[in-house]
Amino acid sequence: GAGVSQSPSNKVTEKGKDVELRCDPISGHTALYWYRQSLGQGLEFLIYFQGNSAPDKSGLPSDRFSAERTGGSVSTLTIQRTQQEDSAVYLCASSPGGVVNTGELFFGEGSRLTVL
Amino acid sequence: GESVGLHLPTLSVQEGDNSIINCAYSNSASDYFIWYKQESGKGPQFIIDIRSNMDKRQGQRVTVLLNKTVKHLSLQIAATQPGDSAVYFCAEESDSSYKLIFGSGTRLLVRP
Repeated sequence: GAGVSQSPSNKVTEKGKDVELRCDPISGHTALYWYRQSLGQGLEFLIYFQGNSAPDKSGLPSDRFSAERTGGSVSTLTIQRTQQEDSAVYLCASSPGGVVNTGELFFGEGSRLTVL
Repeated sequence: GESVGLHLPTLSVQEGDNSIINCAYSNSASDYFIWYKQESGKGPQFIIDIRSNMDKRQGQRVTVLLNKTVKHLSLQIAATQPGDSAVYFCAEESDSSYKLIFGSGTRLLVRP
């Protein structure tokens, strides 16, 4: 596609439920990132994919968070047993090669998650 | 640890004036810095970047200044327009070349 696409754009869920957030990166981009943005805060790194593997998962806040990427394309971020503190905007980004000092890191519009 | 932060959380300017958004970083070894603009309900968009071997870089109506001595980065927007209203983030390349470390952002409000 023309840009990074994320779905759903908005998700409201009840505490304790599981949620899945989807990211379609720009076609041909091998690197994919998930960031989290809490209200009024900066972007917090969650995980980095190069192809289908995730060499850096260091930002995942707990074992309730997991992510996978298939076919070197679509990625899904799963949050199990959601908590209110999980409420945030989850941003996905992709880049052609996984080197960020080229200015070629493109973000989607995010999935806003609200946990009641 | 690495951190990137901003001095002013909110900046209000008159339309037509110049805006200056500041950012401090802590990793003196950082080689690459970038500014993003995030409009309400959208993802961050690239504005301008600069490498550590430069102290100034100009784009269209925007200039980034880098002072490595005091580890300070600034974004200057000339003749600020209503469409410039957004949150601006600075970011630096982490020790890992694949990852950016973001600051907390400055909200720019442009008064008509």
